[in-house]
Amino acid sequence: EIVMTQSPATLSVSPGERATLSCRASEDISNKLAWHQQRPGQAPRLLIYGASTRAPGIPTRFSGSGSGTDFNLTISSLQPEDFAFYYCQQYKNWPRTFGQGTRVEIK
Amino acid sequence: EVQLVQSGAEVKKPGESLRISCKGSGYIFSSHFIAWVRQKPGKGLEWMGIIFPADSYTTYSPSFQGQVTISVDNAISTTYLQWNSLEASDTAKYFCARSMVSTGAFDIWGQGTQVIVSS
Repeated sequence: EIVMTQSPATLSVSPGERATLSCRASEDISNKLAWHQQRPGQAPRLLIYGASTRAPGIPTRFSGSGSGTDFNLTISSLQPEDFAFYYCQQYKNWPRTFGQGTRVEIK
Repeated sequence: EVQLVQSGAEVKKPGESLRISCKGSGYIFSSHFIAWVRQKPGKGLEWMGIIFPADSYTTYSPSFQGQVTISVDNAISTTYLQWNSLEASDTAKYFCARSMVSTGAFDIWGQGTQVIVSS
């Protein structure tokens, strides 16, 4: 099973600032990496797939990068609605696996 | 509109059985894998297993193999997650999610079903 490790666990950022979240896979997953956002009390929603492709309707301030084992999600200028949990997920192998999540909180 | 609509919250006792559902609409149901994901209170997302409705191919995470059963009824575009004997540790919110045809990413999520198991 591929283990996904996210860092940091919590990221404290001021509105308008840039946030960078990291995700590392225990083995090469090429670009088979998605990022999901989950706001409190809501279902997750897809932000990024293929490591760097924004899902339909996702603002351009969200960007993804990386390949192989190391990936980043960058939010260029944090908006109030961006304070949430973020999960990376690999879909290279069965079972699909998620990282443990990064909480982005208001500084 | 493409959507997955899940069944409502459940409160059950340990040892009872349960089946929750996830109904797809707005797309060709049989063409997309549907996964089930568990989220325990205050915790992260856990991938449980997945089914391909066209042929009922199913695979499970080792952590959930033998603990739950995933099934499908194509006639009503619905997938199910079933327990034969619930435990208190099954208390969680359960989400279904659709995989994109072109990739394996989950592009559509259900709203979640809260399951509480308590004596």
